[in-house]
Amino acid sequence: AQRVTQPEKLLSVFKGAPVELKCNYSYSGSPELFWYVQYSRQRLQLLLRHISRESIKGFTADLNKGETSFHLKKPFAQEEDSAMYYCALSYFTGANSKLTFGKGITLSVRP
Amino acid sequence: NAGVTQTPKFQVLKTGQSMTLQCAQDMNHEYMSWYRQDPGMGLRLIHYSVGAGITDQGEVPNGYNVSRSTTEDFPLRLLSAAPSQTSVYFCASSYSFGSGARTEAFFGQGTRLTVV
Repeated sequence: AQRVTQPEKLLSVFKGAPVELKCNYSYSGSPELFWYVQYSRQRLQLLLRHISRESIKGFTADLNKGETSFHLKKPFAQEEDSAMYYCALSYFTGANSKLTFGKGITLSVRP
Repeated sequence: NAGVTQTPKFQVLKTGQSMTLQCAQDMNHEYMSWYRQDPGMGLRLIHYSVGAGITDQGEVPNGYNVSRSTTEDFPLRLLSAAPSQTSVYFCASSYSFGSGARTEAFFGQGTRLTVV
């Protein structure tokens, strides 16, 4: 079954420390993976997607098909990065597709 | 351009009551979906629609109905509210589904529902 696993619920780091938010997926087809972010009292929004291979707000994520991972990384965390982060997988089910999310991880960046 | 609009933002229901959560988007998106967000459970798909007149079930459809009579609107109905349906509900839409750059999901601000 298609599944997204985010093994940690909370990551707390100091400002300036590196951040890695882990995401693993299970899908037998060709995956499309995303990271969504939810800042306090705001709606969820797309942070980045693997096909774009871009860096957004200093965050990057590389799809590793061998390890079925899509970890989110940032070399130097900022306080404004504190938020809830969700990894998501888009997959086909017959004629349609679905977007399934992991359980999310709260990132807390302390001053 | 309002994006995805959900109403109401907050609601308290008594067990057994019914209600409809409204979702509207003005981006001409074909794909719309409803999720519930619970602590430790992440976002779980309730129902989704790939176009007007077409709906399908997600992971947790029991106790909820949907319809899609127009491209813009995708209401979620709770038939007989139960305390287990206490949650934050998010509506999302995207231009298309499948793969590619147009699959970005845009979310509403959420509806916080409490069933007592």
